[in-house]
Amino acid sequence: DAGITQSPRHKVTETGTPVTLRCHQTENHRYMYWYRQDPGHGLRLIHYSYGVKDTDKGEVSDGYSVSRSKTEDFLLTLESATSSQTSVYFCAISEGTNVLTFGAGSRLTVL
Amino acid sequence: TQLLEQSPQFLSIQEGENLTVYCNSSSVFSSLQWYRQEPGEGPVLLVTVVTGGEVKKLKRLTFQFGDARKDSSLHITAAQPGDTGLYLCAGGRAGGTSYGKLTFGQGTILTVHP
Repeated sequence: DAGITQSPRHKVTETGTPVTLRCHQTENHRYMYWYRQDPGHGLRLIHYSYGVKDTDKGEVSDGYSVSRSKTEDFLLTLESATSSQTSVYFCAISEGTNVLTFGAGSRLTVL
Repeated sequence: TQLLEQSPQFLSIQEGENLTVYCNSSSVFSSLQWYRQEPGEGPVLLVTVVTGGEVKKLKRLTFQFGDARKDSSLHITAAQPGDTGLYLCAGGRAGGTSYGKLTFGQGTILTVHP
């Protein structure tokens, strides 16, 4: 996966609990993204980062926050998970083009 | 919000048949990517097209970008069981922090039966 590791790969949690997903890259790419994939919706952008401590919102950012304190790590946090956030989450990286390399995904189930 | 309509959503065919997947939008994109995704894995880039009217071939796969850069198609000739998977189109814009903020189609689940 071109040096992208997502953790955890699977998680089951309860409504109202905080959840953090981690994306780690070894490619030293400046740009990192978090997408979610749901049936019938393709992938939708949650948040993205164009450098350390530089982040911005995507199309479906409500209920999510991100942090990037190092080039290699991009964290996605659900402060209080809801059932609507049950999804598969993908991290992606790029060198500043529209060509993205994706991680293997993190499947989150919120009960 | 830019939309990318992908069709069909499901395609079930026999080995050796040809097929075409379409991606249409009312918006202009600076580039169009096609990805393929296997179960339990992330999407993997197949091709990027950037010029209106551009045609790219990847073995039995032919990709075309519409003249107006609003639509694209993926044609597979003589499909094989190994082509089975989820195919996704994604449109992107150019410039600064616009890069990487892709608009994805809903995906086409292709099943090729031996």
